[in-house]
Amino acid sequence: AQSVSQHNHHVILSEAASLELGCNYSYGGTVNLFWYVQYPGQHLQLLLKYFSGDPLVKGIKGFEAEFIKSKFSFNLRKPSVQWSDTAEYFCAVKGNNRLAFGKGNQVVVIP
Amino acid sequence: KAGVTQTPRYLIKTRGQQVTLSCSPISGHRSVSWYQQTPGQGLQFLFEYFSETQRNKGNFPGRFSGRQFSNSRSEMNVSTLELGDSALYLCASSSGTSLDTQYFGPGTRLTVL
Repeated sequence: AQSVSQHNHHVILSEAASLELGCNYSYGGTVNLFWYVQYPGQHLQLLLKYFSGDPLVKGIKGFEAEFIKSKFSFNLRKPSVQWSDTAEYFCAVKGNNRLAFGKGNQVVVIP
Repeated sequence: KAGVTQTPRYLIKTRGQQVTLSCSPISGHRSVSWYQQTPGQGLQFLFEYFSETQRNKGNFPGRFSGRQFSNSRSEMNVSTLELGDSALYLCASSSGTSLDTQYFGPGTRLTVL
């Protein structure tokens, strides 16, 4: 079965700072990888996804993620965060038609 | 296109009761997956239905069950509720193919007293 680990569950940073969230997965098959975001009071939304091809994928709101197969990683980055990026971020790997999620990163951006 | 809808949004039940949650997927989507979200365990997969058949099941007791109708709408049932069943139950819909993406509804917040 697949599994995902996310580090630094609580991240606090100032506006304009850069953000990087780590994600490591374990799965023996072809990986489909996702980052979802849950803004306060809102439902889970897709930020970006990787199925194949260019390992650097770009998503909404200036987010990007890099798939590094040799490291089993799919880290999320944003060069300059805004207050509106305050949210919980979840990395997920899909296998056998199910998503396995990491525990999430609670990100707080201070204006 | 309308998104995934879930009803009801909030539920309060007492131990021992049963509950039924409903999910309407995005039009054209044939797969519905259910997840439980709690602060301690995070997001955990319950089961997936595709074309009215359960295609996948997570590690939850038999008290958790579901079904899917011919219009792809799905229901989830939890019998003999326990305090630990208090959670946000999320429904996700997708096309059901190997390269699909799951889109989530707002969830049903279940509180068991």
